[in-house]
Amino acid sequence: DAGITQSPRYKITETGRQVTLMCHQTWSHSYMFWYRQDLGHGLRLIYYSAAADITDKGEVPDGYVVSRSKTENFPLTLESATRSQTSVYFCASSPNKTPNTEAFFGQGTRLTVV
Amino acid sequence: AQSVTQLGSHVSVSEGALVLLRCNYSSSVPPYLFWYVQYPNQGLQLLLKYTSAATLVKGINGFEAEFKKSETSFHLTKPSAHMSDAAEYFCAVSDTGGFKTIFGAGTRLFVKA
Repeated sequence: DAGITQSPRYKITETGRQVTLMCHQTWSHSYMFWYRQDLGHGLRLIYYSAAADITDKGEVPDGYVVSRSKTENFPLTLESATRSQTSVYFCASSPNKTPNTEAFFGQGTRLTVV
Repeated sequence: AQSVTQLGSHVSVSEGALVLLRCNYSSSVPPYLFWYVQYPNQGLQLLLKYTSAATLVKGINGFEAEFKKSETSFHLTKPSAHMSDAAEYFCAVSDTGGFKTIFGAGTRLFVKA
């Protein structure tokens, strides 16, 4: 009963490097989301996916790439990390997207770009 | 566009005191509203949600929230704070398409002994 797991939990990378954050869910939820959490901003949506091979941009997609070849995985890639991408990243999933359906969150990945 | 505003980035209460965390929403259609809680170094988990069945919604850990359309508010309350309630609380609204959840900036609750 793992639920939704993110890896790594902590990551330090250098400016300009590519880094991938992993997200895996065991519920077979259709919808998956990536958020970033920054002080004073709450959570902002980066990308979301309605199903395998279907992804779309959220509020702050620039500098990020996602893919979803399998329902259970939704990796987030920073193509060339910048200091402004230092943040806590949360992956979430939802069984469907009727408006009253809540999201289930992973424990987060704290990324520091130096 | 829908949005939520949480009044107060930090709230401090004494143990046993009333907890009141404020949330106002902006929506042109009946909203679907949520409160999530985030404990240190953890992800968010659902406290409660409003889905139009009842204006007073009860959640986990003794929290409840009242939907007031006239005030466009969905404030979170708990009659008596416990030390274990110290966490960050987020109000959120589902957008009209149902694809995205929009979060407020969060309110950190401190509970003093």
